[in-house]
Amino acid sequence: DIQMTQSPSTLSASVGDRVIITCRASQSIKSWLAWYQQKPGKAPNLLIYKASSLQSGVPSRFSGSGSGTEFTLTISSLQPDDFATYYCQQYSSYSGVTFGPGTKVDIK
Amino acid sequence: QVQLQESGPGLVKPSETQSLTCGVSGYSISSGYYWGWIRQPPGKGLEWIASIHHSGKTYYNPSLKSRVAISVDASKNQFSLKLSSMSAADTAVYYCARQAEGDAGGFFDSWGQGTLVTVSS
Repeated sequence: DIQMTQSPSTLSASVGDRVIITCRASQSIKSWLAWYQQKPGKAPNLLIYKASSLQSGVPSRFSGSGSGTEFTLTISSLQPDDFATYYCQQYSSYSGVTFGPGTKVDIK
Repeated sequence: QVQLQESGPGLVKPSETQSLTCGVSGYSISSGYYWGWIRQPPGKGLEWIASIHHSGKTYYNPSLKSRVAISVDASKNQFSLKLSSMSAADTAVYYCARQAEGDAGGFFDSWGQGTLVTVSS
């Protein structure tokens, strides 16, 4: 099965910072990658799908890029509501969906 | 707007079988999409468990496949998960979610609030 890694595991940032989170796949997943935001005690919320498509209702400060094995999630100007944990998910096949280990974004 | 709600016992004894149901409102399961289960042990990451299409097609996480069964009841607009031989390692928040149909696999665009299942005697 395809393994996903994320870096960094924790990121300390300030409001207004540009934040970049990286996700890598153990083999090519083309553009079959999604990003989620999760806050404590809540279900994950879809931000990005197909590597760079913004889910309806998600602020435009979130963007995704990449293909193959390396992907990034960028928050252009970090807002107070953005402090959370972010997960990537590959969906190159229905029988092998896997998530990354997560990146926690906390207050510097 | 689709809404999903998990239900089932919050406490299961070791070696027993856990049964969870996800009720769907605001969208008919028979209309399309896949429907899946994902779990999250306390303080840890997300693990996909299984998915089912409204047609009955199923997919399972290979690491759990021998213990898992997913089913759909379109007449009640709900789908269910059974996980057998429960152990402490299965203690987690269990989420149900709607999974997009696509050329490959699918992302999860709507989630239930999650239900904590604790395995303890």
